[in-house]
Amino acid sequence: GESVGLHLPTLSVQEGDNSIINCAYSNSASDYFIWYKQESGKGPQFIIDIRSNMDKRQGQRVTVLLNKTVKHLSLQIAATQPGDSAVYFCAETPSGYSTLTFGKGTMLLVSP
Amino acid sequence: KAGVTQTPRYLIKTRGQQVTLSCSPISGHRSVSWYQQTPGQGLQFLFEYFSETQRNKGNFPGRFSGRQFSNSRSEMNVSTLELGDSALYLCASSLVTVANYGYTFGSGTRLTVV
Repeated sequence: GESVGLHLPTLSVQEGDNSIINCAYSNSASDYFIWYKQESGKGPQFIIDIRSNMDKRQGQRVTVLLNKTVKHLSLQIAATQPGDSAVYFCAETPSGYSTLTFGKGTMLLVSP
Repeated sequence: KAGVTQTPRYLIKTRGQQVTLSCSPISGHRSVSWYQQTPGQGLQFLFEYFSETQRNKGNFPGRFSGRQFSNSRSEMNVSTLELGDSALYLCASSLVTVANYGYTFGSGTRLTVV
């Protein structure tokens, strides 16, 4: 089927490397941010989130950093594995809202 | 527990036809949102329903419509299909609002218009 990865920036890494995926957001009122992973043929899957009262949050092998001053979000994946290969999206919303605005996405390719 | 179920998974339609897509949210979730995903435009918000009422609407023409039933299941309809409507249509459900409770996405319906 048609890939959602067409036209996307691509990050290629070796297995075991650390990966950093960046995202610039636009809405100054946004205070809830989410990273999603989307594999081929599937819907977006939640990875990690962060609220604007924090600048860093860690999960299992993943860390999200938030810089509100420059409206920048990053996702760090430690010890990247081939199973991490997917398209990664950031999303933002103001609190209390019920819709998300998504970034364009980044394709992560992990070579064994 | 069961996830978000979208049917059908794949559809091929001809220009000018209409199509109806279905989404069954996670049990107990009252909010259902629809997004269109294309390689060129990415993920774009279509509309959101909460307790059978449209709560938010994105910037899409009136050919795109939806509804939600009392059991929270939702359908979206696209009339007078155009080639540019070819996309992956994703449904996401939430307990109340994504900002407070997060989303769970379905696997989508791949619509091809020929």
